[in-house]
Amino acid sequence: EPEVTQTPSHQVTQMGQEVILRCVPISNHLYFYWYRQILGQKVEFLVSFYNNEISEKSEIFDDQFSVERPDGSNFTLKIRSTKLEDSAMYFCASNLGPTEQYFGPGTRLTVT
Amino acid sequence: KQEVTQIPAALSVPEGENLVLNCSFTDSAIYNLQWFRQDPGKGLTSLLLIQSSQREQTSGRLNASLDKSSGRSTLYIAASQPGDSATYLCAVGGGSYIPTFGRGTSLIVHP
Repeated sequence: EPEVTQTPSHQVTQMGQEVILRCVPISNHLYFYWYRQILGQKVEFLVSFYNNEISEKSEIFDDQFSVERPDGSNFTLKIRSTKLEDSAMYFCASNLGPTEQYFGPGTRLTVT
Repeated sequence: KQEVTQIPAALSVPEGENLVLNCSFTDSAIYNLQWFRQDPGKGLTSLLLIQSSQREQTSGRLNASLDKSSGRSTLYIAASQPGDSATYLCAVGGGSYIPTFGRGTSLIVHP
């Protein structure tokens, strides 16, 4: 069964450094998403991406964040200058449209 | 702004019990509602998706219902098993299909 994959599973970085989180959505899906979950808190929407552009973004998704689909398979989330409060699980998801979303296993980002 | 509340926050039951998890939302103008399972430190596994025009969905021992007018959904788990132990999340999809998540119900089923 096709699945969303994410790499790395755990990333440790120092404050101020740039990180890139990678996702491979399900191959025939058209919509791609990033979410984050701070430990013990709700899953929060960051951004959605369709047709090679951002379609929606939350207030969390400020200028420090960017997304890219550099090729036909990868979908990346870049954080330019990480802060301590960026420490969280980051989930990628994809779907065909207004249907159920399929989530990846997540990347745990730890900023020290 | 959509607010999603899940009750109870935690539940511990003996194996074999039938149980009900509740989800309520403040804005009834929803597109769909999705129930997920999350194991500790892991991703989200989709369990059931209910479109706004539907009243319920079933998959195996799981049944989810939706009452848009009252802003409620329930997830019914029949004959619970220790393997059902996880956190169950309700996510309500709005006009742009972006889901708003609840905090989840942490379920422990003990043998």
